[in-house]
Amino acid sequence: EAAVTQSPRSKVAVTGGKVTLSCHQTNNHDYMYWYRQDTGHGLRLIHYSYVADSTEKGDIPDGYKASRPSQENFSLILELASLSQTAVYFCASSTGQRAETLYFGSGTRLTVL
Amino acid sequence: GDSVTQTEGLVTLTKGLPVMLNCTYQTTYSPFLFWYVQHLNEAPKLLLKSSTDNKRTEHQGFYATLHKSSSSFHLQKSSVQLSDSALYFCALSDRTSGGNYKPTFGKGTSLVVHP
Repeated sequence: EAAVTQSPRSKVAVTGGKVTLSCHQTNNHDYMYWYRQDTGHGLRLIHYSYVADSTEKGDIPDGYKASRPSQENFSLILELASLSQTAVYFCASSTGQRAETLYFGSGTRLTVL
Repeated sequence: GDSVTQTEGLVTLTKGLPVMLNCTYQTTYSPFLFWYVQHLNEAPKLLLKSSTDNKRTEHQGFYATLHKSSSSFHLQKSSVQLSDSALYFCALSDRTSGGNYKPTFGKGTSLVVHP
């Protein structure tokens, strides 16, 4: 079974503070993704990466940065957290091929106050 | 760009009844469609997937048929159970300008099954 681990499971941050969400996969997958989940909006892609040391913008990248220091690790960084970034964040991995399944982590619930 | 539309935000049913969750898509490429299911406080996981036109795909009692003529991939089950209560996402494998593939998700349909 593919394994994607996110940390922390939940976090409370203050407006204007820096937040880093971490993701680690043991699937040997090339592709990793960060999604944001909000009620009524489904899963929206923030950033993704298909190789270490390179990241790509997804559909809603504003206010977020990403870092892929190795094949196994992918971080999402909120330099200046805002109230509107309160959401559940999911990391996922896949081989990146057209037919391939995404394997999701358990999610991080972020609350910005 | 490519997109996925799920028209129902919430579907409420009584146990034992049939269900159909709608999914339509737009793409300029040959489509590959997925259904993911997310139970409360869990991660989304794959339910089924298909790229074959007019062929029924089944898993865990759920089934869907890709119809390219109508750009649809509706999810169905003949008799829902309480355990089917969950959030269901339709997704499309979306080709990027760089030639890679990234999934694009619909907004999701919440299915609530009552006793």
